[in-house]
Amino acid sequence: GIQVEQSPPDLILQEGANSTLRCNFSDSVNNLQWFHQNPWGQLINLFYIPSGTKQNGRLSATTVATERYSLLYISSCQTADSGVYFCAVGQPSRDQGAQKLVFGQGTRLTINP
Amino acid sequence: DAGVIQSPRHEVTEMGQEVTLRCKPISGHNSLFWYRQTMMRGLELLIYFNNNVPIDDSGMPEDRFSAKMPNASFSTLKIQPSEPRDSAVYFCASSLGRGLVPRGTDTQYFGPGTRLTVL
Repeated sequence: GIQVEQSPPDLILQEGANSTLRCNFSDSVNNLQWFHQNPWGQLINLFYIPSGTKQNGRLSATTVATERYSLLYISSCQTADSGVYFCAVGQPSRDQGAQKLVFGQGTRLTINP
Repeated sequence: DAGVIQSPRHEVTEMGQEVTLRCKPISGHNSLFWYRQTMMRGLELLIYFNNNVPIDDSGMPEDRFSAKMPNASFSTLKIQPSEPRDSAVYFCASSLGRGLVPRGTDTQYFGPGTRLTVL
């Protein structure tokens, strides 16, 4: 099956710093999503981005599907950004319903005040 | 919208007991997913449904696990009998389903999870 690798596994930064998280995948995908799991365990969808670039406030994401990677940028990090960031990918299927997603192991981001 | 609703939020049971986890997807969503999260294995997809029909249950660990979706607004995940190694956080997620929406909008929304502890 498809492999999803995220780097770095852990990232510790001071408040105000910028961060870049990477997701590599081993095969063609037509679905890629970034999630944030906060310290209370809630999983929040940040971006649906199978290709191209999107921005939402201090967060932006870029997926280069032909090169099989995606990047998540967080600018001016705040302590509330702490948590684990997951990348998840899906591949084309015959079924016209929703796709199954394969998750990476996540990047644990810690923002210190 | 209330989002995806799961119950119970916490469950502590003894080995051998039956456990039933419940999920109510977002109204209007056609696809529902059950995931399990552990430290060792991360987030794993157990099973997913499209229009109440199970599509892929290859992630269900063994016959002790079963899932149903009797209607568009309710699903259950049952473990019988439960074992200590089943201890994990179980998430339910829902999405609109690609077939019914333009490309690029098949976002999955997760519930708060059920933390299961089997003693």
